[in-house]
Amino acid sequence: DAGVIQSPRHEVTEMGQEVTLRCKPISGHDYLFWYRQTMMRGLELLIYFNNNVPIDDSGMPEDRFSAKMPNASFSTLKIQPSEPRDSAVYFCASSLIRGTPLSGANVLTFGAGSRLTVL
Amino acid sequence: AQSVTQLDSHVSVSEGTPVLLRCNYSSSYSPSLFWYVQHPNKGLQLLLKYTSAATLVKGINGFEAEFKKSETSFHLTKPSAHMSDAAEYFCVVSAPTSGTYKYIFGTGTRLKVLA
Repeated sequence: DAGVIQSPRHEVTEMGQEVTLRCKPISGHDYLFWYRQTMMRGLELLIYFNNNVPIDDSGMPEDRFSAKMPNASFSTLKIQPSEPRDSAVYFCASSLIRGTPLSGANVLTFGAGSRLTVL
Repeated sequence: AQSVTQLDSHVSVSEGTPVLLRCNYSSSYSPSLFWYVQHPNKGLQLLLKYTSAATLVKGINGFEAEFKKSETSFHLTKPSAHMSDAAEYFCVVSAPTSGTYKYIFGTGTRLKVLA
């Protein structure tokens, strides 16, 4: 498997522009997570999906942020309009939750991240 | 509810000396426990995971962790540090909660290896 695939790897944009980050989870995984990482705030969970349904979006900072998962193999995180404080590395991760919690099948696999710079 | 506490935000060791990164957890259910490593400007990579098979878990690059239920700890150790171990390490607990699943990350421990 190619792992979790994120695009773009790097994005530089100007304040006010729309940004769309994309994620392809590992085939067969039923959970998908979006995280944001900054030096100041560390790693933050933004939103996660189970079987394409958003479960918890309490980490989404503002209405400017939205996420969708139209099917099991694709998710997007959109920022509109973008602001300089949105500059961060955005990670997508997926997992397969199966069996008991100790079955070992629930490893969270991360993508390489999308580094966003908003000028 | 689940929570995880990494007791040290920074740890410095000399190359060739042992590494100890401390993690305590809290969970209402039997948890899964993980350690992830993040090298500078890289993504997060799984170092090791705890299942019920054994309390001493061996991971990649010579790391291991011991699950101690009585102490609610899952400390990460390595007998001899290498320069390439310099990175940030995250302890993670996961368990079912309210009909779904969550992963709770610690705040991270930055490991510095001195020559």
